[in-house]
Amino acid sequence: SYVLTQPPSVSVAPGQTARITCGGNNIGSKSVHWYQQKPGQAPVLVVYDDSDRPSGIPERFSGSNSGNTATLTISRVEAGDEADYYCQVWDSSDHAGVFGTGTKVTVL
Amino acid sequence: QVQLQESGPGLVKPSETLSLTCTVSGGSVSSGSYYWSWIRQPPGKGLEWIGYIYYSGSTNYNPSLKSRVTISVDTSKNQFSLKLSSVTAADTAVYYCARGGGPFYNNWFDPWGQGTLVTVSS
Repeated sequence: SYVLTQPPSVSVAPGQTARITCGGNNIGSKSVHWYQQKPGQAPVLVVYDDSDRPSGIPERFSGSNSGNTATLTISRVEAGDEADYYCQVWDSSDHAGVFGTGTKVTVL
Repeated sequence: QVQLQESGPGLVKPSETLSLTCTVSGGSVSSGSYYWSWIRQPPGKGLEWIGYIYYSGSTNYNPSLKSRVTISVDTSKNQFSLKLSSVTAADTAVYYCARGGGPFYNNWFDPWGQGTLVTVSS
């Protein structure tokens, strides 16, 4: 099965840029989706198809994908961005959704 | 605006079958544009996709759970349901239902229900 690896944690000061990586074998050939999950809440889609944003998601959230790494970038980080973030792809071999291990973003 | 709401028992005994229903409002499970998924999250852990169903009844399951999972749809009630058999403590999790956008080979999940905690214990 396809494995997606994320760093367990990322820390960032307010106003700075947070970059969350998602590693997978040739992930650049897949479409990557990203979710934000705040404590006690359901996940929310923040980026789909590598770099598209659903309506209502701030432009501060952006995504890229190439080679073996996809990246979610949060610009001008705010205290409200503190959350767990998960990447997700579709594994064509197993015909199944696959989530990354998750990254906790802490705003200092 | 589409909303999803999970319902079902919060406590299930080991070896029994977990049954949950997701009620969709503000949209229709009969829409041919979407797939309807179940996803779970054990306490303090990450997300695991369980499977999805299309309005026609076509399904696709996570290979790791396939032998124990059944997802069904009731278009008359605008609901879809999950059954997970022979549960153990490892199946204790928050269970979410979600709408899948995109093609069947590249679903993303938006929106999600609020989730319901199911505990497996005697």
